[in-house]
Amino acid sequence: AQSVTQLDSQVPVFEEAPVELRCNYSSSVSVYLFWYVQYPNQGLQLLLKYLSGSTLVKGINGFEAEFNKSQTSFHLRKPSVHISDTAEYFCAVTRMDSSYNLSFGSGTRLLVRP
Amino acid sequence: DTAVSQTPKYLVTQMGNDKSIKCEQNLGHDTMYWYKQDSKKFLKIMFSYNNKELIINETVPNRFSPKSPDKAHLNLHINSLELGDSAVYFCASSPRVGAGARETQYFGPGTRLLVL
Repeated sequence: AQSVTQLDSQVPVFEEAPVELRCNYSSSVSVYLFWYVQYPNQGLQLLLKYLSGSTLVKGINGFEAEFNKSQTSFHLRKPSVHISDTAEYFCAVTRMDSSYNLSFGSGTRLLVRP
Repeated sequence: DTAVSQTPKYLVTQMGNDKSIKCEQNLGHDTMYWYKQDSKKFLKIMFSYNNKELIINETVPNRFSPKSPDKAHLNLHINSLELGDSAVYFCASSPRVGAGARETQYFGPGTRLLVL
């Protein structure tokens, strides 16, 4: 089975500062990796996903993530955050063998302060 | 023009009651899901329906039963509600049978269930 660990439950940061949200995964087989964002009182929406190819993935709203197979990590980064980026961010993983079972991490709350 | 919609948005009920949550998607997707998000924001998949067939059934109590009248709808019926059922329930959908794991899932806004 696959699993995801998000080490930081909350990350406070000042507006316009860079941010990195950490995600590590564990799986015995190859996986696909996702980052979803949940704004207050809303459902989740996809930020970006890694399927294959270039290990640096660019997503919406200026976010990017880098897949590192040797470190089994998929950290999310943004060079300059806005107040509107305040939200809960979830890393997720699923096996490549056509499983529909998306496993989510426990989430990281990004709190952007003025 | 909401892609994935859920009703009701809020549901407050007494222990022991039976309730249903409805989900509809207008994206033409083949697969629909139900997730439970607990008070610590942890998300866990409960069910998945692919072309009206159950393809995932995680270890949830049999008081929970998904019902899919057609490809665009996946309802969640809960019998004999318990305090521990209080959570936010999210419906989601994804396209294309067989593409499976690669697909983006599209989430509804959630139903906040409170059992008193």
